[in-house]
Amino acid sequence: EVQLLESGGGLVQPGGSLRLSCAASGFTFRTSVMNWVRQAPGKGLEWVSVINNSGGSPYYGDSVKGRFTISGDNSKNILYLHMNSLRAEDTAIYYCAKDRVGYSYGGYGLDVWGQGTTVTVSS
Amino acid sequence: QSALTQPASVSGSPGQSITISCTGTSSDVGHYNYVSWYQQLPGKAPQLMIYDVTKRPAGVSNRFSGSKSGNTASLTISGLQAEDEADYYCSSYRDDSPYVFGTGTKVSVL
Repeated sequence: EVQLLESGGGLVQPGGSLRLSCAASGFTFRTSVMNWVRQAPGKGLEWVSVINNSGGSPYYGDSVKGRFTISGDNSKNILYLHMNSLRAEDTAIYYCAKDRVGYSYGGYGLDVWGQGTTVTVSS
Repeated sequence: QSALTQPASVSGSPGQSITISCTGTSSDVGHYNYVSWYQQLPGKAPQLMIYDVTKRPAGVSNRFSGSKSGNTASLTISGLQAEDEADYYCSSYRDDSPYVFGTGTKVSVL
């Protein structure tokens, strides 16, 4: 069964850091394209970042560029999101999601989603 | 990265058909055939319902269909059922972002 399981969310103070993890199973992680998508409380979906686990540069949304870093560990089948300089507006449920098509970026559709992990940035 | 525009809410009676619009620009919806639609049930993660404008993943009911004209994509739900009550989001590929999402539409079954 194809599955994604996020962890690492929690309460953090403004300016702090957090690392989210997404454990993948049931598909070939090393050839996959993986994303982070977030949803602020009561709001819509916002794409955060994408990485091609086959290689190539990752991409980031404007609101997180320079603060967040996406990475993948192909030996452990785990996707990460390193979040620095956190702000109140980063408060959201963070989902990892698998691209329907591997190897390349193209907006082909996100066909597998995790259950999400909640990040709260507050003093 | 501005969002695509969707109506805030759409409603219909059981058995009716409803259509949700998703308006973008010539840089996203109007230029690429990479429009997807997602259903999000309350408290759940989104689920892919349509990809590449018109295609349905395995397991998705054929009551859901997608189309596009110019800068506007549409999702039609025919034979509306109570279980279709959810939030729906479109997304499109854009040169500066593989996924730009719509503002979301709440579908209510009267």
